Amino acid sequence: DGGITQSPKYLFRKEGQNVTLSCEQNLNHDAMYWYRQDPGQGLRLIYYSQIVNDFQKGDIAEGYSVSREKKESFPLTVTSAQKNPTAFYLCASSITSGGEAFFGQGTRLTVV
Amino acid sequence: RKEVEQDPGPFNVPEGATVAFNCTYSNSASQSFFWYRQDCRKEPKLLMSVYSSGNEDGRFTAQLNRASQYISLLIRDSKLSDSATYLCVVVRGSTLGRLYFGRGTQLTVWP
Repeated sequence: DGGITQSPKYLFRKEGQNVTLSCEQNLNHDAMYWYRQDPGQGLRLIYYSQIVNDFQKGDIAEGYSVSREKKESFPLTVTSAQKNPTAFYLCASSITSGGEAFFGQGTRLTVV
Repeated sequence: RKEVEQDPGPFNVPEGATVAFNCTYSNSASQSFFWYRQDCRKEPKLLMSVYSSGNEDGRFTAQLNRASQYISLLIRDSKLSDSATYLCVVVRGSTLGRLYFGRGTQLTVWP
């Protein structure tokens, strides 16, 4: 089945550690996105990529990094520079930039 | 001004009621519009695209008013299973595909 997969579903991190969230899609979509959602809040864009080896900062990129070495994969690293990383992280993809987006099931990151 | 603004609600309606959500967007260059549904602690899922002529899918009707820069979602004959948060999404062509999400409108349908 085609889809977009995020892993892990739950992640616990100690303060000061970097952690990488995985996002893989087999939909042959060009565009991929990372969003952060806090309780009772809307989605905020962290990074997005329209093509392999290219990506743009969203509204809250500080403390995060991404790579897009393959069309299928868009991993997000939450670095120790991110002051408040506990949140629900959602990865999405779309067939063209601006088309309807399909989401993975999300990763809940908790800093302990 | 935010790109997309939605009334956060919450909307609490009885089963069978008709409920309408509105969403306004700030940039007239916006080119694509969608409604998503998000259940508690789950990912958003596409409910429907919004076309200039308006479109209907069963009990759901979406409308676009470009002159006033708003989109709407009408739900008729509400079901308990319609309880969720409804997200308005706008795509601005000038930013090459950047999706802008509203904060969402929370709906609770009670028996």
